[in-house]
Amino acid sequence: RKEVEQDPGPFNVPEGATVAFNCTYSNSASQSFFWYRQDCRKEPKLLMSVYSSGNEDGRFTAQLNRASQYISLLIRDSKLSDSATYLCVVTTSGGSYIPTFGRGTSLIVHP
Amino acid sequence: EAQVTQNPRYLITVTGKKLTVTCSQNMNHEYMSWYRQDPGLGLRQIYYSMNVEVTDKGDVPEGYKVSRKEKRNFPLILESPSPNQTSLYFCASSTRTGGQETQYFGPGTRLLVL
Repeated sequence: RKEVEQDPGPFNVPEGATVAFNCTYSNSASQSFFWYRQDCRKEPKLLMSVYSSGNEDGRFTAQLNRASQYISLLIRDSKLSDSATYLCVVTTSGGSYIPTFGRGTSLIVHP
Repeated sequence: EAQVTQNPRYLITVTGKKLTVTCSQNMNHEYMSWYRQDPGLGLRQIYYSMNVEVTDKGDVPEGYKVSRKEKRNFPLILESPSPNQTSLYFCASSTRTGGQETQYFGPGTRLLVL
């Protein structure tokens, strides 16, 4: 079983829609959580960190549920420019530094 | 401009011919990493470095070497490339702010090994 799992999608939504992605992780010692965005053939870029209390950045809201070991990303009022692959990233604290990436969820926003 | 650079961006080579992909960052980050990305497998870490002269294996280190002689540079070396190393490679550097690592990725290097 992969340590970080995401629904690959694609999620195909109209402009203005609200869409949510989930990501589950298996290592209960995981400490840091992130969402990255990756456009086709480009490098991943940090979208937002995920804090225990949840956090919001404009149209984007991230939540962490430690008890159920999942994080979520909610995108409100989807724009065409939100079309991309969204990567869930989980790291553990301690001496090693091996972030674990999910395989990504593809989002397509259409007119 | 703060950035991570990689060279070359595209490379076609033949089996067994040694190659090096360079990576450089200008943000004075301590952490640097190499990843490969393959369809259906996502990003997998090859090697990482927590500081100068400190490197360690990631998930898929076989067939690769790295060095960290200077803080800004972290080259990836393929001593004897094989076709299964055909992939998209990303270098990343990281800073830790408030206990959270933020990774900055280079633009990627597309490698084809014939």
